[in-house]
Amino acid sequence: DQQVKQNSPSLSVQEGRISILNCDYTNSMFDYFLWYKKYPAEGPTFLISISSIKDKNEDGRFTVFLNKSAKHLSLHIVPSQPGDSAVYFCAACTSGTYKYIFGTGTRLKVLA
Amino acid sequence: GAGVSQSPSNKVTEKGKDVELRCDPISGHTALYWYRQSLGQGLEFLIYFQGNSAPDKSGLPSDRFSAERTGGSVSTLTIQRTQQEDSAVYLCASSLGLAGDVQYFGPGTRLLVL
Repeated sequence: DQQVKQNSPSLSVQEGRISILNCDYTNSMFDYFLWYKKYPAEGPTFLISISSIKDKNEDGRFTVFLNKSAKHLSLHIVPSQPGDSAVYFCAACTSGTYKYIFGTGTRLKVLA
Repeated sequence: GAGVSQSPSNKVTEKGKDVELRCDPISGHTALYWYRQSLGQGLEFLIYFQGNSAPDKSGLPSDRFSAERTGGSVSTLTIQRTQQEDSAVYLCASSLGLAGDVQYFGPGTRLLVL
């Protein structure tokens, strides 16, 4: 059972436009969510996170939105840059468990 | 300071052989995780160590997989009698051990079982 789903395996966006990456989860006990970015031949690096007490968190060009009722979160990148081309993973966990469940990733390609 | 390091970076082995993968976490990080990423798949949780507590082994796919963490620092993931389906990138991560804390990943070990 895939508790964290990223239904779009790939996404292409023009440079300067908005990139929207989506993530759905099924476990209502999840209360902390993170986004990671992964370049080829490297480990994932942390991008941005959000707690379930918030519905939005912003860091520069990156904003994560959380819709708890829909069990859905999204990552917005504005404006998109070619260097943003990577695989993006969302992850979720429940406080006190320490076990993160990762999605399958979305490959973003930003076209110059 | 140094990040998480893993060795070897690449490993090719024959089916049936045992392999050992090593992870050096960030100094001071009490939590250590192992994940596996198979081709076209997401990150699959394998095992989690936190301080001196008993590890969470719930993600290990079979009893051929085991892991140790010596002295609360370096960890070794051992795969016995490797199978072709074990071919994947094995990623190690460490964190300060607080719930919801950011995990810092190593570059991974690419294992190919022929």
